[in-house]
Amino acid sequence: SQQGEEDPQALSIQEGENATMNCSYKTSINNLQWYRQNSGRGLVHLILIRSNEREKHSGRLRVTLDTSKKSSSLLITASRAADTASYFCATPAGGSTLGRLYFGRGTQLTVWP
Amino acid sequence: DVKVTQSSRYLVKRTGEKVFLECVQDMDHENMFWYRQDPGLGLRLIYFSYDVKMKEKGDIPEGYSVSREKKERFSLILESASTNQTSMYLCASNRGLLAGVPDTQYFGPGTRLTVL
Repeated sequence: SQQGEEDPQALSIQEGENATMNCSYKTSINNLQWYRQNSGRGLVHLILIRSNEREKHSGRLRVTLDTSKKSSSLLITASRAADTASYFCATPAGGSTLGRLYFGRGTQLTVWP
Repeated sequence: DVKVTQSSRYLVKRTGEKVFLECVQDMDHENMFWYRQDPGLGLRLIYFSYDVKMKEKGDIPEGYSVSREKKERFSLILESASTNQTSMYLCASNRGLLAGVPDTQYFGPGTRLTVL
């Protein structure tokens, strides 16, 4: 399977701390996406990083991609209780010309006030 | 803003019933997807459609069928619901590949289906 796998499965921190989630994948990719899911809701796209980028920022989010290690990380700085959600990495389905993605099982982040 | 809507947030059906889950997107997207999400298993693709009347099986198509008669609407059909189909069902859409990169997928709010 080309499915990305997030690590850790669950993360619990205090408000103001940084949260780091990792994603590992198995085959070569040209991009990786991160999504967020609030409890009982659909997923929302956060950020896309291409294989020729090593780091990308969006507000309090920082994403890195290391294609040699086949891994990516999502860092949320100065976390807030509202960041409590599940976070998923998504990788392209190899050989697909149709825009299909594989999603990992997610990291459940809990931020305590 | 892209909007993907699903016909029901919560649904309770009996074993053996035929169940229709409807999804509508308003951004003229080519691709539409149906996933199911179960604790510990993440999102698994059931079926997707890349054009009207066109479909491809995902990873777990057994027990499901789909219909896409109009570009904006993608229906998931459970021909004879079973208790192991109790799950959260998520619909998504996107424009396909853009310069070789899968476009962002836009998700609906989900339908939590319980089969008794």
